[in-house]
Order: sequence, then C-alpha cells, then structure tokens
Amino acid sequence: SYELTQPPSVSVSPGQTASIACSGDKLGDKYACWYQQKPGQSPVLVIYQDTKRPSGIPERFSGSNSGNTATLTISGTQAMDEADYYCQAWDSSTPHVVFGGGTKLTVL
Amino acid sequence: QVQLQESGPGLVKPSETLSLTCTVSGVSIRSYYWNWIRQPPGKGLEWIGYIYYSGDTNYNPSLKSRVTMSLDTSGNQFSLKLSSVTAADTAVYYCARDDYYGSGRHFDFWGQGTLVTVSS
Repeated sequence: SYELTQPPSVSVSPGQTASIACSGDKLGDKYACWYQQKPGQSPVLVIYQDTKRPSGIPERFSGSNSGNTATLTISGTQAMDEADYYCQAWDSSTPHVVFGGGTKLTVL
Repeated sequence: QVQLQESGPGLVKPSETLSLTCTVSGVSIRSYYWNWIRQPPGKGLEWIGYIYYSGDTNYNPSLKSRVTMSLDTSGNQFSLKLSSVTAADTAVYYCARDDYYGSGRHFDFWGQGTLVTVSS
C-alpha cells in the first residue's frame, strides 16, 4: 500500500520560514494537499493540488511537489500557525486516500 | 455555506456496531463524494472510505470487511456503520466533503467531529 512519511516535529522561530516535508514514492506524479489541525478542532485545508490556497488561507502558506517529496512552506511564521499538519494524496492505482502521519509545528 | 454535522452514540460496546450519520446543508449530496475519516486520541488521521450519490463506495482495505456506507438523499445525509468494534476503534469520527478531479482529491469541508468510545 502507498505510504506518506512526515517528520514528527518541526520547530521554527516567529517570523522565520517553516518547511514541512512529506515523502512518498513518486509523490510528484500525484496531487498533494495539506491540512492544519489545531487542538480540539477539525482539520482545515490549507493547500490543495500541490500549490493552490483555498479562499481565506493566508498567502504565507505555500506548497510544492516534485520527485518524491511535497513540501509545505510557511513564510513569516506566526504563533497562530502552531498546529499539527497533515499531508494527503490520492493513490489512483489502489484507489485509496492516504494521509501522512502528521507533523507538529512548534513556534518558539 | 456548506456545513456537515455528525451525530450518533458516543459510547458503543465491544463487538457491537458503531453507527453514525452526517447531515449536510448548503449543498446537495447528489453532488460530490462524501467521506468518513477518523482520528484515535492523540494520533493521526485515517481515511475510512467514501460514498457517491450513485451508490459507488470505496473503503480503506484495513477496514473494508467491517464498513458499510449509505446515503439518504431525501434527508441529505450519509451514514457509516462499523461492525464488530473493539477499543482500537475509539476515535473522533469526521465526515468530510471530497472534491474529486480525476487525478486527485482533497477534503474541503469537514464536520466538527464526534468522539466514539468503545467500552463495556
């Protein structure tokens, strides 16, 4: 079965750039998306189709996907960005939805 | 505005069947795919499966033998049944709308989630 791998945690200082990687076999051939989840809340879509931002998501959130790695980048990270982030892809060959294990972003 | 709301028992006994309903407002369930996703306490997200208004379903292979999804178009609702539950099925269960575009899909609207605990 297809798998997506994320680092368990990433730390960043306020105002700096945070990058969260998501790796999977030939992930660049699929569309990747990202969700932000704060404690006690439902996940919120922040990036879809590799690079697109839904309405209402700040411009500091961006995404890329190439080769085996998709990356979520948060520029000028703010304290409010502290959350768990999950990548997700659609494996059309199976065809099933796959989530990464999640990355806890700490802003300190 | 699209909204989803899960409902169902918060406590289920081991070996019994978990049943949840998701009520959708703001859009007809005759459009889009509709999914269930769960999250055990302190853990990550797990996709359970989806249903389309045509009746087409697709389930996570790890749960497929125990999962049934159905639609109620008149009530604009869809449902999940998970049989033979154990403590490992304790989780927050989310319903979510699926925006499918042939080469990918993502979940753009989510319910608030409902905690289901499996315990005697």
